[in-house]
Amino acid sequence: NAGVMQNPRHLVRRRGQEARLRCSPMKGHSHVYWYRQLPEEGLKFMVYLQKENIIDESGMPKERFSAEFPKEGPSILRIQQVVRGDSAAYFCASSPIMDRSLKTQYFGPGTRLLVL
Amino acid sequence: GQQLNQSPQSMFIQEGEDVSMNCTSSSIFNTWLWYKQDPGEGPVLLIALYKAGELTSNGRLTAQFGITRKDSFLNISASIPSDVGIYFCAGITGTASKLTFGTGTRLQVTL
Repeated sequence: NAGVMQNPRHLVRRRGQEARLRCSPMKGHSHVYWYRQLPEEGLKFMVYLQKENIIDESGMPKERFSAEFPKEGPSILRIQQVVRGDSAAYFCASSPIMDRSLKTQYFGPGTRLLVL
Repeated sequence: GQQLNQSPQSMFIQEGEDVSMNCTSSSIFNTWLWYKQDPGEGPVLLIALYKAGELTSNGRLTAQFGITRKDSFLNISASIPSDVGIYFCAGITGTASKLTFGTGTRLQVTL
């Protein structure tokens, strides 16, 4: 059973460009979460999605950031007009619909975004 | 917002020694999870705890969910070089699904 997959693993963008990060959850998982990690810090929650629905986006910056999880295909985290402060590692996690209270999340390898 | 404080921040131990680290919060959590993160990789789930007082083992790892629901600890027995990494606790409160992560404990093992 393949784990959570993220691509690209590394992404370099210039200020003002767009960044698109992709996440394919584990097989059978229908809940996806995005987290951001700055160097030497813990992960910070951004958004929680189920298929075609955003459940909780309380950790998402109000501007330039958006996320989707379409019926078909991977979840996408989109950052428009990137700035240097967006440089971080972005992790996706997934959990199965029937997991014990939906609590256990499995993480992908992350996308490391560098904004020049 | 909620914060999870982990201690120690870092530790250097010799191979074969036992390790203990803990995680505390001012808020109550309903679920505690312990993850290990290697450089350049995502967090890997080690142990999940769902009930106050629960004690769970996974090989050389043992973790407990504190009775007050405001803390948890992780023990590693007979450490080996591949235990090197950053250990994070993470908790979930109420009906929320998002994880709140601790500040991390960096473990270094010397031969």
